[in-house]
Amino acid sequence: DAKTTQPNSMESNEEEPVHLPCNHSTISGTDYIHWYRQLPSQGPEYVIHGLTSNVNNRMASLAIAEDRKSSTLILHRATLRDAAVYYCILGDDKIIFGKGTRLHILP
Amino acid sequence: DGGITQSPKYLFRKEGQNVTLSCEQNLNHDAMYWYRQDPGQGLRLIYYSQIVNDFQKGDIAEGYSVSREKKESFPLTVTSAQKNPTAFYLCASSAWTGTPQHFGDGTRLSIL
Repeated sequence: DAKTTQPNSMESNEEEPVHLPCNHSTISGTDYIHWYRQLPSQGPEYVIHGLTSNVNNRMASLAIAEDRKSSTLILHRATLRDAAVYYCILGDDKIIFGKGTRLHILP
Repeated sequence: DGGITQSPKYLFRKEGQNVTLSCEQNLNHDAMYWYRQDPGQGLRLIYYSQIVNDFQKGDIAEGYSVSREKKESFPLTVTSAQKNPTAFYLCASSAWTGTPQHFGDGTRLSIL
């Protein structure tokens, strides 16, 4: 099964951009890259997904490396409400959630 | 509004009892999933279903059972064979496998 690698935790200051990295060196050509985030005691929330090109939506941007072996979730201006665990996963039949990156936002 | 509903929010089980967790979606999604989450850990896949009347085991299916008799419903039974059932259980659905998943708010199961 394809898997991803993320840092355990990251810190950022409020109102600054945040770049959350993800490595997926065994990604197959048809796997989409998905990002979710989870607030305490809630189910994960979909953030963004992409295949090859960079993607933007109202929540975030997704930058995908040309070889697709890594990607970066970009929060353009972090707020305290963005403090959560962020999961990078590959979209195949059996989606595997790792431990994700716990993002701390400093006021 | 379309969404996915899990009930109950909190559930208590006595030793040796089976309990069933409910998951209903009105998103017209073909695929549905059950995950287990332990404190400080990521999500682990228990079972998933790609279509009605079909389901596959995930990574930790032992001690659990599911059914998919209707597109909208994917109940999970935690049997007495599951020796450590205390956890946060999450249900999700997606248009089909591999597409973005929508999650419910979870059921927290505890043993009395």
